[in-house]
Amino acid sequence: SQQGEEDPQALSIQEGENATMNCSYKTSINNLQWYRQNSGRGLVHLILIRSNEREKHSGRLRVTLDTSKKSSSLLITASRAADTASYFCATDLKLTFGEGTQLTVNP
Amino acid sequence: EPEVTQTPSHQVTQMGQEVILRCVPISNHLYFYWYRQILGQKVEFLVSFYNNEISEKSEIFDDQFSVERPDGSNFTLKIRSTKLEDSAMYFCASIQGEGQPQHFGDGTRLSIL
Repeated sequence: SQQGEEDPQALSIQEGENATMNCSYKTSINNLQWYRQNSGRGLVHLILIRSNEREKHSGRLRVTLDTSKKSSSLLITASRAADTASYFCATDLKLTFGEGTQLTVNP
Repeated sequence: EPEVTQTPSHQVTQMGQEVILRCVPISNHLYFYWYRQILGQKVEFLVSFYNNEISEKSEIFDDQFSVERPDGSNFTLKIRSTKLEDSAMYFCASIQGEGQPQHFGDGTRLSIL
């Protein structure tokens, strides 16, 4: 299975702090994607990193990928209350999601 | 920005009835997907569809499920005889091509009574 597994399961921080979430997967990948889900809504694509990339930035998001460790991290800098959501990683075409990290940003 | 749209947003159906969930993917996208999310659980892949046929399906996608792209715009998921455990959010997604991010609709909440 190419399942993405996120940790921690839950993360609570203050507005302005940085949030780091990790993802591990099991088999070789072509790309890894991070998604966000607000309660009861669909998933929103945040960033895609290809297997030959080590780091990628998009606004306040920074993603790293270590294919030797089969892991990825998502860093959200200067967090805002609106960042409160569940965050998921998934691999390749047939996205296989983990349980996600529930991020709460307290104002 | 183009969106994936799903209808209805909420469907309530009696157990044993057939239900059809509808999706309109983004117009130039070529790959289509259905996922489901049981309340409080993770998002699970159901089926992928490309070039007018199923390209992959999960164990969940048994004979009670079917998908169709009846015209150039709609992509439907049919559950033939619903069970209580089919109650979930069902998400449709589409991508333009391989290696591209998936775009999700807002989902249909299916409640089986």
